[in-house]
Amino acid sequence: DTEVTQTPKHLVMGMTNKKSLKCEQHMGHRAMYWYKQKAKKPPELMFVYSYEKLSINESVPSRFSPECPNSSLLNLHLHALQPEDSALYLCASSQGRAYNEQFFGPGTRLTVL
Amino acid sequence: SQKIEQNSEALNIQEGKTATLTCNYTNYSPAYLQWYRQDPGRGPVFLLLIRENEKEKRKERLKVTFDTTLKQSLFHITASQPADSATYLCALHNTGGFKTIFGAGTRLFVKA
Repeated sequence: DTEVTQTPKHLVMGMTNKKSLKCEQHMGHRAMYWYKQKAKKPPELMFVYSYEKLSINESVPSRFSPECPNSSLLNLHLHALQPEDSALYLCASSQGRAYNEQFFGPGTRLTVL
Repeated sequence: SQKIEQNSEALNIQEGKTATLTCNYTNYSPAYLQWYRQDPGRGPVFLLLIRENEKEKRKERLKVTFDTTLKQSLFHITASQPADSATYLCALHNTGGFKTIFGAGTRLFVKA
């Protein structure tokens, strides 16, 4: 199974809502990533987990809170988002370092009203 | 600051021709460079990795070159097909290897 799954596919939320994005992989990868991608822009790294520990936080606002409950799961908790946070949120995983092939999920299209 | 530049304009080519995409970078010394393909509304898909001590890598119809002196990578698709139409992203990694920096991508259109 070489697939990274993400749920939900689409999410619309208000600025006062709390929601979570979920990501799952069963490839035994020990590195997992969250990226944010705006239209016609490259993916921007947000967080990296290595062996279930937060390894990189790219100065992401605290309204985004990542969680790695186990080696297969990665969550992104959302609270008090702004309309400018609307984007495609991509999850990825890799065997070891990021320069190894990263497997990306299909993304969650988030709209903040 | 670190900067990656890819052909900002879309690239239109005829089926059967070779597509050549460029990735230039500044203020960075990557140990590894990758190319990904991304279709609209989908996540990127890995294509090729090349290391700083490698000059060229090939995979089927794909070829990547890496010139650390020029700070440039070229990505070639030979015998292009309409199915190759997509956005192609280059990605750079340092030796530590966890942080990926993506270029903005080049949109390729292959006409039948």
